[in-house]
Amino acid sequence: QKEVEQNSGPLSVPEGAIASLNCTYSDRGSQSFFWYRQYSGKSPELIMFIYSNGDKEDGRFTAQLNKASQYVSLLIRDSQPSDSATYLCAVIRDDSWGKLQFGAGTQVVVTP
Amino acid sequence: DADVTQTPRNRITKTGKRIMLECSQTKGHDRMYWYRQDPGLGLRLIYYSFDVKDINKGEISDGYSVSRQAQAKFSLSLESAIPNQTALYFCATSDVTRTGNTEAFFGQGTRLTVV
Repeated sequence: QKEVEQNSGPLSVPEGAIASLNCTYSDRGSQSFFWYRQYSGKSPELIMFIYSNGDKEDGRFTAQLNKASQYVSLLIRDSQPSDSATYLCAVIRDDSWGKLQFGAGTQVVVTP
Repeated sequence: DADVTQTPRNRITKTGKRIMLECSQTKGHDRMYWYRQDPGLGLRLIYYSFDVKDINKGEISDGYSVSRQAQAKFSLSLESAIPNQTALYFCATSDVTRTGNTEAFFGQGTRLTVV
């Protein structure tokens, strides 16, 4: 079992709609959770981080964390063509000194 | 200028050749990492370093070595390149913010092709 799992997609979303991305993790010791956006051939770009159960909103993005169920999700509201990218979920265990464990990523395609 | 700089950006090399990928940072961070990315596999950790005297293997270190020449420089070497090391390589740094959170910064990536 992979430590961090995501659906690979592609997730096709009409422009203006909500994109919903899910991520599950296996290590209950995971404490910090991140969403990165990566355009093809480019480096990952941090868009959200969350540490506590519940929701965290930043502009059009909302991260949701449920430690009991071991999943973290990302909602993208009012999706734009520029949101078309691969979204990587990453976790850090509290004893891992900042080592990020990545999922394989979900490709999102926003269609006009 | 980028805070985390990788050189070269693209490289094609032959099987059996030794190659070095270099990373330098101006963030002043102690922690540095090398990841590789393959299609459908996400980023996987090769090596990491928490200071000049501290080098640690990641999950896929076989066939690679690293050198931490200074706080700002962390190099990755492929002693004898093989085709399945063809991948996109990323260097990263991280630090703990004043609020106790970890923040990571990535270089632009090096696309390596071994033929």
